[in-house]
Amino acid sequence: EIVLTQSPGTLSLSPGERATLSCRASQSVSSSYLAWYQQKPGQAPRLLIYGAFTRATGIPDRFSGSGSGTDFTLTISRLEPEDFAVYYCQHYGSSFTFGPGTKVDIK
Amino acid sequence: EVQLVQSGAEVKKPGESLRISCKGSGYSFTNYWISWVRQMPGKGLEWMGRIDPTDSYTNYSPSFQGHVTFSTDKSISTAYLQWSSLKASDTAMYYCARHPTTGITQEFDYWGQGTLVTVSS
Repeated sequence: EIVLTQSPGTLSLSPGERATLSCRASQSVSSSYLAWYQQKPGQAPRLLIYGAFTRATGIPDRFSGSGSGTDFTLTISRLEPEDFAVYYCQHYGSSFTFGPGTKVDIK
Repeated sequence: EVQLVQSGAEVKKPGESLRISCKGSGYSFTNYWISWVRQMPGKGLEWMGRIDPTDSYTNYSPSFQGHVTFSTDKSISTAYLQWSSLKASDTAMYYCARHPTTGITQEFDYWGQGTLVTVSS
C-alpha cells in the first residue's frame, strides 16, 4: 500500500506570497494517479489538480502541480485570501490514499 | 449541473443501525464510481471504499471492510452507506464523491456536501 507524506504540516504565509507544498509517496507512482484537493472549514474538499499537473475546471492558474516518481509539489504562485485552507494530495489506482494534509494559514 | 446531494445529519446511539444517502444528478449515474470518504473531527480524509452503480461491484478499504456496507439504487441515482451497529468511534463527517469508471485518471471531481454522523449514548 502506498503511503503519502505531506510537508510542512502547517505553512504560515501572507497574502501575495508564494506557497510550495510537498507530497512524497512511499514508492514511485505514476504522475497520472496523483491529485490535489483544497478543503476550507465546514466545506467539502474541492479538486484542484489531477494527473499531477492538470488543473480542474474553474481552478485559477495561480495553482500549479509538478513532480514525478515519489515527489510531487503543489505551488500557489500568489496567495489570495480565499486560498488559506488545508490541502491534501491523493494517490489513486486500485486503492485510494490521501496524505495527512498541509494547512496554509495567515501569518 | 452535476450535483451530489447527501442526506441530513444524524444523531444515533451505539449499537443502532443507520443508512445515509448520496443522490447524483446532472450526469449519467452509472458512468461514475461513488466513493465514500470519512473525516473524523479535526482530522484528515480517509477513503472507505467505492461502488460501481452499474452492477454494485464494491471495493472496501481494509480499514472499513466488514463494518460498513455500500449499495446503490440506480433507478433513482442514489448511493447508500450503511452501518448495522454503530460505535462512538463512527462519529465523523462522511462524504460521497464520484470518479470515472473508465479512463486513466480517477480523480474525485464532484463531492457531496457531507453528512455528519454523531454516535453518543
